[in-house]
Amino acid sequence: DTEVTQTPKHLVMGMTNKKSLKCEQHMGHRAMYWYKQKAKKPPELMFVYSYEKLSINESVPSRFSPECPNSSLLNLHLHALQPEDSALYLCASSQEGSDSPLHFGNGTRLTVT
Amino acid sequence: GEDVEQSLFLSVREGDSSVINCTYTDSSSTYLYWYKQEPGAGLQLLTYIFSNMDMKQDQRLTVLLNKKDKHLSLRIADTQTGDSAIYFCAPHGGRDDKIIFGKGTRLHILP
Repeated sequence: DTEVTQTPKHLVMGMTNKKSLKCEQHMGHRAMYWYKQKAKKPPELMFVYSYEKLSINESVPSRFSPECPNSSLLNLHLHALQPEDSALYLCASSQEGSDSPLHFGNGTRLTVT
Repeated sequence: GEDVEQSLFLSVREGDSSVINCTYTDSSSTYLYWYKQEPGAGLQLLTYIFSNMDMKQDQRLTVLLNKKDKHLSLRIADTQTGDSAIYFCAPHGGRDDKIIFGKGTRLHILP
């Protein structure tokens, strides 16, 4: 069992829909991450939150909007997505500092129709 | 930015040793991690080595680091069917705080 919980496990949405992905951890970690993973590819970094503040945005299109309501929760709001945004979206957390190991959730499999 | 290279595939007979290699470019990385991804799951931390070490052993896993050549390897002894997965190399703690993954090596176990 993973200590990082992501919901939903699967999501199918149309290009005009608005949906949100959720991530939760209770390990007291101060950094949280969103990664996007396409089939047969490595995870690609999207966003990093450190102490609830956005510290890294890897030039992600504005149709993806992250939010960190508190130190345990991380959301990714989705709006007007394209079919090429279909992927596995992985949330991860770590103790402060980029030299700490990442703890991943099992991801949300997103399909955009 | 950091560039991390791995070979994409490795086939090994059950019971043999597997060796997965990785090269990276950011010599300021402080920790070098190996993650394992099984089908339909997220990545799980497998093992790591601190940059001032050249070898670390953890049960069936041995990590070797050649810091001069920026080369990292993961050896899995007595490879089992449960080791079938994708293995990602990820240097951490480098210059720009971004954790970049190698392309991943898909380990296939032959009976």
